[in-house]
Amino acid sequence: AQSVTQLDSHVSVSEGTPVLLRCNYSSSYSPSLFWYVQHPNKGLQLLLKYTSAATLVKGINGFEAEFKKSETSFHLTKPSAHMSDAAEYFCVVSEIRTGNMLTFGGGTRLMVKP
Amino acid sequence: DVKVTQSSRYLVKRTGEKVFLECVQDMDHENMFWYRQDPGLGLRLIYFSYDVKMKEKGDIPEGYSVSREKKERFSLILESASTNQTSMYLCASSLDRSPTPLHFGNGTRLTVT
Repeated sequence: AQSVTQLDSHVSVSEGTPVLLRCNYSSSYSPSLFWYVQHPNKGLQLLLKYTSAATLVKGINGFEAEFKKSETSFHLTKPSAHMSDAAEYFCVVSEIRTGNMLTFGGGTRLMVKP
Repeated sequence: DVKVTQSSRYLVKRTGEKVFLECVQDMDHENMFWYRQDPGLGLRLIYFSYDVKMKEKGDIPEGYSVSREKKERFSLILESASTNQTSMYLCASSLDRSPTPLHFGNGTRLTVT
């Protein structure tokens, strides 16, 4: 069965410093992987997705993620945090075998200090 | 741009009441989903639908039912609300069964007292 573990429930960074949000997945087959962001009182918005093309995926707002099959990881990074990046981030996995149903991680709340 | 609209932003209901949460999408998407979101648990799938009048159970269907009479509308029904159903409920839609992204509504925060 597919599963996702987000290794940190909370991450705090200073504005202008790098962001790293960690995600490990478990999947029996070639997965598709996504990162979603949820700003306060909003629905979830897609940041980026990996679907077996390039392993380094670039998303919106300067975020990117690298698919590492050997480490079963899909960590989200950004070189320089902005105050507007403060939000909750979800790592998500899906498999063709399960009809592309999505499994969500528990979420990581990113706080950005001035 | 796809728009997924949930009819209520906040709801307060009493234990035992029948509750309807409504969701409408405007992009002719085949698939619609209901999730609940709880702190530390991420999103958990309650029910989904691949077509009109079709429904499938997700991971936590107990205590819920759904209705999809029209392609654009997907309703979540709590037959007899209980306090453990206090949560944020998110509706989503997607174009088809390929790994396309979900489009989410802004959520309904339901409190059952």
